[in-house]
Amino acid sequence: RKEVEQDPGPFNVPEGATVAFNCTYSNSASQSFFWYRQDCRKEPKLLMSVYSSGNEDGRFTAQLNRASQYISLLIRDSKLSDSATYLCVVNRGSTLGRLYFGRGTQLTVWP
Amino acid sequence: NAGVTQTPKFQVLKTGQSMTLQCAQDMNHEYMSWYRQDPGMGLRLIHYSVGAGITDQGEVPNGYNVSRSTTEDFPLRLLSAAPSQTSVYFCASSRSGLAGVIQETQYFGPGTRLLVL
Repeated sequence: RKEVEQDPGPFNVPEGATVAFNCTYSNSASQSFFWYRQDCRKEPKLLMSVYSSGNEDGRFTAQLNRASQYISLLIRDSKLSDSATYLCVVNRGSTLGRLYFGRGTQLTVWP
Repeated sequence: NAGVTQTPKFQVLKTGQSMTLQCAQDMNHEYMSWYRQDPGMGLRLIHYSVGAGITDQGEVPNGYNVSRSTTEDFPLRLLSAAPSQTSVYFCASSRSGLAGVIQETQYFGPGTRLLVL
């Protein structure tokens, strides 16, 4: 079983829509969780960390459910500029520096 | 700050050739790593280093060598290129290292696109 599983999509939504991505991880010892964004043919960049209590950054909300080993990302009021691939990333913690990436979920926002 | 830089941006190799992908960072980060990204596979860790002189294997280390003689540089060597090594290679760095701090934000370089014929 893969460390991190994501629905690859693609998700195609109109501007202004709300869209949610989900991710599951297999190792219950995982300690740190992130969402990265990757634009076409570019490097991944950190979008936000995910905290146990859930956290928000503008239009983006991340949630973590440790019991279900599940992470989510909600994007409200989608913009054209949100079109990208969103990567779910997990750090198992016991192996320092070993990040595990999901395959990514592709989002296209259309006008 | 240039951040993380990688050279070359593109490279075409013939099977059996060797080459070194260069990676450098100017943020004084202890931790550096190499990933490859293939369609449908996501990013997979090749090798990583938690400080100068210390390296370890990731998920897919076969066919690749690394060394870390300075904090700034972390080159990746392909000893005998194979078509299966056609991929996009990303180098990344972060502040986590020997102190045991849980992984923080990783900063990625722009990538090297490698084609092995």
